[in-house]
Amino acid sequence: ETGVTQSPTHLIKTRGQQVTLRCSSQSGHNTVSWYQQALGQGPQFIFQYYREEENGRGNFPPRFSGLQFPNYSSELNVNALELDDSALYLCASSLAGDEAFFGQGTRLTVV
Amino acid sequence: AQKITQTQPGMFVQEKEAVTLDCTYDTSDPSYGLFWYKQPSSGEMIFLIYQGSYDQQNATEGRYSLNFQKARKSANLVISASQLGDSAMYFCAMRDATGGYNKLIFGAGTRLAVHP
Repeated sequence: ETGVTQSPTHLIKTRGQQVTLRCSSQSGHNTVSWYQQALGQGPQFIFQYYREEENGRGNFPPRFSGLQFPNYSSELNVNALELDDSALYLCASSLAGDEAFFGQGTRLTVV
Repeated sequence: AQKITQTQPGMFVQEKEAVTLDCTYDTSDPSYGLFWYKQPSSGEMIFLIYQGSYDQQNATEGRYSLNFQKARKSANLVISASQLGDSAMYFCAMRDATGGYNKLIFGAGTRLAVHP
């Protein structure tokens, strides 16, 4: 076990709704990255938070947003859900960009 | 731009035999790191092995070894003495520091099936 916990493990949302996914990082890790893994593909980088600030973003629209809290846990928010947002969302924590430890992921289905 | 290519969508191997999973990469950075992850059906990405671009020797971790050929830009994973529990998706990834922060770029993955 990596010590990275994500919740919920599964959820189903309707197109147009909003969703919040949560990640509790490994103790002492100050960096959290989020990845989207569509079915049959490798994970794609969404964004990264370091000490409560977004310090990097991949090719995702602004309706994908995030937060990092003082305890370094993090949230991923997606507004105006689309069918193509259906994927496994992975959170990874690290200490200042060193080796990343992944959570078990949240499987989001948009119907 | 950095890119990882895994050309084997699926592989199968007999239990107790060795198997090689291919990975090629493209980068213009002289300093980079390469990773292999295992992803069982549960979804979690499990770190297996890491190779730094300046490492003189190929990385090994138990039954896992990395065949690193820098000139050919390949970083193949070798699993020795395959076990039924090795059946999973395997992803090759590269650390990309573009923009001043580290992120991982993944390949499309290879599904490994170990047969008894």
